[in-house]
Amino acid sequence: EAQVTQNPRYLITVTGKKLTVTCSQNMNHEYMSWYRQDPGLGLRQIYYSMNVEVTDKGDVPEGYKVSRKEKRNFPLILESPSPNQTSLYFCASSPGPQYYGYTFGSGTRLTVV
Amino acid sequence: KQEVTQIPAALSVPEGENLVLNCSFTDSAIYNLQWFRQDPGKGLTSLLLIQSSQREQTSGRLNASLDKSSGRSTLYIAASQPGDSATYLCAGSNSGGYQKVTFGIGTKLQVIP
Repeated sequence: EAQVTQNPRYLITVTGKKLTVTCSQNMNHEYMSWYRQDPGLGLRQIYYSMNVEVTDKGDVPEGYKVSRKEKRNFPLILESPSPNQTSLYFCASSPGPQYYGYTFGSGTRLTVV
Repeated sequence: KQEVTQIPAALSVPEGENLVLNCSFTDSAIYNLQWFRQDPGKGLTSLLLIQSSQREQTSGRLNASLDKSSGRSTLYIAASQPGDSATYLCAGSNSGGYQKVTFGIGTKLQVIP
């Protein structure tokens, strides 16, 4: 089944403890992106990647890192999480957003205390 | 900078009613417009994708239109059912070298049996 898989689905952590949220797609998509969703603010792009080793900042990149060493994986790294990073995170992929739109993962609900 | 607005923020209708959800955008240089459905705490499911060269797309009881000149898209749902209850989001993809995508905050739809 073609899908975008995120792990974990739920995560509670403490301030400052490094964490990684994984994202993997099995559709050979070149484009991948991370979003966070907050009430009243909608989805905001954190980082995106056009291909392996090609990443760039979205609208809200502060406090996040990403890497794209393999085409299928695009992990989101929080080096020192803070409470304002408590949010619902989504990974998405596309063969090319211009023509094909996006496929989203099921989301990761992160709580930083 | 693209801005996407969805009005109303919430809508409640009786089962069987036909309804229209609205999406407006400020930048007409749009590659495509995608409509998603999101169930509470879940990921986004793509419903329809309209390319900039198209005027509308249909899938079952859903019909989405795109009018670039007026900066508007509509999602028409025929014969609404309680299972249609969800939040509906639109997202516009613009040029910019990296396929910038801007989401609306969504319209929360409740279909009452």
